[in-house]
Amino acid sequence: NAGVTQTPKFRILKIGQSMTLQCTQDMNHNYMYWYRQDPGMGLKLIYYSVGAGITDKGEVPNGYNVSRSTTEDFPLRLELAAPSQTSVYFCATSPMGGVSNQPQHFGDGTRLSIL
Amino acid sequence: AQKITQTQPGMFVQEKEAVTLDCTYDTSDPSYGLFWYKQPSSGEMIFLIYQGSYDQQNATEGRYSLNFQKARKSANLVISASQLGDSAMYFCAMRDLGANNLFFGTGTRLTVIP
Repeated sequence: NAGVTQTPKFRILKIGQSMTLQCTQDMNHNYMYWYRQDPGMGLKLIYYSVGAGITDKGEVPNGYNVSRSTTEDFPLRLELAAPSQTSVYFCATSPMGGVSNQPQHFGDGTRLSIL
Repeated sequence: AQKITQTQPGMFVQEKEAVTLDCTYDTSDPSYGLFWYKQPSSGEMIFLIYQGSYDQQNATEGRYSLNFQKARKSANLVISASQLGDSAMYFCAMRDLGANNLFFGTGTRLTVIP
């Protein structure tokens, strides 16, 4: 039972390069999220999706794009990498949003450095 | 405005002792949920415990319990009988009515001393 799988685990990018962080889940959860965690800080929401074909911005969406063509996959794209995007990126899922006792389930994270 | 505040950047506890990690929150919604996550040095986020705003009793999960004081807007995590494996970052998070995401605090780093 894989749960939430993120690839790659580590990546170094040059300024201005682009890349896609992959997130796949086998939990059949409708809700998926992308967070970033800067050093010594909590997680902040970048984008989220409530189902296939529906996405919405979180607290810190600038510089990122997402798509959700299937229930399982929720890729995060960086178009023009900037040093400020150096962070650890977490993908998470939950069966529902709103006020629910269902916790979010997290992938193991992608550590991204932009030099 | 900061929704979740964790005022203890670091805490130390002796093995087998209990420790309380503080969390205060801010919301005007009557309905909300509070979560605690553990992040070991390996980096993954592990769900520990949940407390709903309408729950009558404090949540407990094994050695974890939540000291929920609604009027004071606090949701402190209590870890009993600390073990060396409890050394990690601990994050308090909240999800309120209409919000789909979790709002996280800045975390507390707990170190268990043998």
